Amino acid sequence: QLVLTQSPSASASLGASVKLTCTLSSGHSSYAIAWHQQQPEKGPRYLMKLNSDGSHSKGDGIPDRFSGSSSGAERYLTISSLQSEDEADYYCQTWGTGLQLFGGGTKLTVL
Amino acid sequence: EVHLVESGGGLEQPGGSLRLSCAVSGFTFSSYAMTWVRQAPGKGVEWVSGASGSGISTYYADSVKGRFTISRDNSKNTLYLQMNSLRVEDTAVYYCAKNGAYDIEGLDRWGQGTLVSVSS
Repeated sequence: QLVLTQSPSASASLGASVKLTCTLSSGHSSYAIAWHQQQPEKGPRYLMKLNSDGSHSKGDGIPDRFSGSSSGAERYLTISSLQSEDEADYYCQTWGTGLQLFGGGTKLTVL
Repeated sequence: EVHLVESGGGLEQPGGSLRLSCAVSGFTFSSYAMTWVRQAPGKGVEWVSGASGSGISTYYADSVKGRFTISRDNSKNTLYLQMNSLRVEDTAVYYCAKNGAYDIEGLDRWGQGTLVSVSS
């Protein structure tokens, strides 16, 4: 069964870097995902599509501070030079035959 | 510039019906799959339904299968979600989103959402 697992929360200091993780369920390590950001009281925003080989394509206007990488079934979102506006919920999303699904989301706090 | 604008949300009683619309502009609508996603108050986002570029292939989450129907009018650049037999647990902000390809895959544009409240 295709499942995405995310840690519920993460925190990092202003100006630092943080790496968020999204884990694909067993047998699905070749799947691509997409990362989305949801700032407080706003709708989600597409950040990037991330392939199993680590290649990724970012959405329009997404700063270079946001990058993606992959290792096995793990998909990562790294945010460098953290800014206050990066405090948000981050969701990974994937798709299979006839379905799409999201991870539970990670709430990022910028200290 | 790509725009997705949802409408049709509101307050409905359990067992009632609502029809959501999503008007899009800025891209060739018929070339891309479209998806509905919802977010209950204080919860994460949940996939609801998707439709291929032609609308011939449609997909549903188990939680809405048999009650909701996705459709699209490519001549009007509009996506729809017909919601029947509404339940209290369908209360959520409903977002439409563009996929990155003709069939469902990664979402790459989101609308601003429309609120659906189901309550007696």
